[in-house]
Amino acid sequence: EPEVTQTPSHQVTQMGQEVILRCVPISNHLYFYWYRQILGQKVEFLVSFYNNEISEKSEIFDDQFSVERPDGSNFTLKIRSTKLEDSAMYFCASSGGVWWTQYFGPGTRLLVL
Amino acid sequence: AQSVTQLDSQVPVFEEAPVELRCNYSSSVSVYLFWYVQYPNQGLQLLLKYLSGSTLVESINGFEAEFNKSQTSFHLRKPSVHISDTAEYFCAVSAGSSNTGKLIFGQGTTLQVKP
Repeated sequence: EPEVTQTPSHQVTQMGQEVILRCVPISNHLYFYWYRQILGQKVEFLVSFYNNEISEKSEIFDDQFSVERPDGSNFTLKIRSTKLEDSAMYFCASSGGVWWTQYFGPGTRLLVL
Repeated sequence: AQSVTQLDSQVPVFEEAPVELRCNYSSSVSVYLFWYVQYPNQGLQLLLKYLSGSTLVESINGFEAEFNKSQTSFHLRKPSVHISDTAEYFCAVSAGSSNTGKLIFGQGTTLQVKP
């Protein structure tokens, strides 16, 4: 069964450093998402992406964040200058012809020191 | 704006007992409702969804949820749980008019099934 994959599974970085979280959505899916979950808190929506552009973003998704689908298979989330409060589990998701059936990856746990 | 509240952070239950995981939402517009399950070290998996039509929806592994508009609830039930049902369960809502797929999640409920 096709699945969404994410790399790395864990990432440790220093505050102020740039990180890129990578996701490979399910082939032929059209909608792509990033969510995050700070330890002990809710899963929060960050951004949705369709037709090579952002369709919606949350207040969390400020200028420090960006997304890209560089080669038609990967979907990346970049954080330009990480802060301590960016420490969280980041989930990528994708969906096919209907947006409401979202398939989630296993997540990348980011720790900012 | 939509919001979701899961009233129980942890629900311990014995194997073969019934269980109900509670979810309430608030929204000023029509909504789509979802339950996701997360097993250890895995991503979230869609368990069941309510989009329209019958207010009782079922999953393939015996869970069911009922959309109650007057009580703004979407509680998840299973008449007899198994050890393998031990997981984190998330209720989520999306605006029915949305075409961006944004999901709003509750805090999650840990279901602990004991032998």
